[in-house]
Amino acid sequence: DQQVKQNSPSLSVQEGRISILNCDYTNSMFDYFLWYKKYPAEGPTFLISISSIKDKNEDGRFTVFLNKSAKHLSLHIVPSQPGDSAVYFCAASPAGEYGNKLVFGAGTILRVKS
Amino acid sequence: NAGVTQTPKFQVLKTGQSMTLQCAQDMNHNSMYWYRQDPGMGLRLIYYSASEGTTDKGEVPNGYNVSRLNKREFSLRLESAAPSQTSVYFCASSEVGAKNIQYFGAGTRLSVL
Repeated sequence: DQQVKQNSPSLSVQEGRISILNCDYTNSMFDYFLWYKKYPAEGPTFLISISSIKDKNEDGRFTVFLNKSAKHLSLHIVPSQPGDSAVYFCAASPAGEYGNKLVFGAGTILRVKS
Repeated sequence: NAGVTQTPKFQVLKTGQSMTLQCAQDMNHNSMYWYRQDPGMGLRLIYYSASEGTTDKGEVPNGYNVSRLNKREFSLRLESAAPSQTSVYFCASSEVGAKNIQYFGAGTRLSVL
């Protein structure tokens, strides 16, 4: 029973356009959400995060939106660049979890075409 | 600054063999983690160590053991490898309270034949 779901296995976008990656969660105890980016043969690297007390967090070309009532978050990349082609993982952290345990989604492969 | 270092990068085992995956971090983090990544499954937590001297089971601990050797090092042992343990293994570390950001190593690709 996946608590964090990324229902789109892959996404293809033209360079310069917007990429929107979606993530849904089922556990209402999650209070912190993160996006990680992973290139082949490398480990995941932290991209951006958002606390449940916010509905938006922006960092350069990357913006994460959180809709708590829908238990949905999305990552927007504008404009998309070929170097953004990677696997993107959504992750969530339960409130009060000592040791910062994260629950990950299955990932979405983003391909940005030049 | 190396961050999180995992060894080996690749390993092939026969069913029933044992091996230990090594992980070391140089960021002085208190917490360390072992994950496995399988196609369509994302990253699943095997074991974690919230602080030196403590370890706890994650989502998929069966068939694995861990040792938090000191603050820097956290090893994962497969006592009797099975084909179902063919996966990519990632070690990560974080500072408690640091907004849950975990820093990952490059991974160990393990095949069990």
